[in-house]
Amino acid sequence: KAGVTQTPRYLIKTRGQQVTLSCSPISGHRSVSWYQQTPGQGLQFLFEYFSETQRNKGNFPGRFSGRQFSNSRSEMNVSTLELGDSALYLCASSLMAGETQYFGPGTRLLVL
Amino acid sequence: AQSVTQLDSQVPVFEEAPVELRCNYSSSVSVYLFWYVQYPNQGLQLLLKYLSGSTLVKGINGFEAEFNKSQTSFHLRKPSVHISDTAEYFCAVSVQGGKLIFGQGTELSVKP
Repeated sequence: KAGVTQTPRYLIKTRGQQVTLSCSPISGHRSVSWYQQTPGQGLQFLFEYFSETQRNKGNFPGRFSGRQFSNSRSEMNVSTLELGDSALYLCASSLMAGETQYFGPGTRLLVL
Repeated sequence: AQSVTQLDSQVPVFEEAPVELRCNYSSSVSVYLFWYVQYPNQGLQLLLKYLSGSTLVKGINGFEAEFNKSQTSFHLRKPSVHISDTAEYFCAVSVQGGKLIFGQGTELSVKP
């Protein structure tokens, strides 16, 4: 079974731009979560989606948003990018909400 | 609120030596516990998990962990490490699933 896939793998943007990251979960998995990883703050939870509904949200500004489609694929969007948004963004999927999460390779975002 | 503390940020060890990576958590309710490993430029790979039952959990690559409720610990151990175990290791907790709270990570460096 194919694992979690994330596109693109690498991205360079400038301050003020917006970006959309994509995540395809493991086949049959219906829950998708997003995390931000930075050297300073470590791994932080962004949000979780299940059946196209946001179940849980972390402590991030409204510039960070996401959605989930009927095929369980998910996207996250960051608007008005800031230098501090440079990070590795990880997506994880699980069979159902609350079950073991399996991570993708991440999207590395660099904001200049 | 839940929190996770990984007591060592870096652990250097010689090849074929045993290793223990320490993790303590704080929670007023029952939690699920996980260890993930991250190799350079990759996402997180699940090593093992404790959901319930036996407190000694065996994972992949010869790792095991012991859940100790009274000491609120979930230390990861391996009796004999290999060069290929060099990576960053993350302990995480989850309450009622979904949101994972991670420790700051322990960098394991295996030297020949």
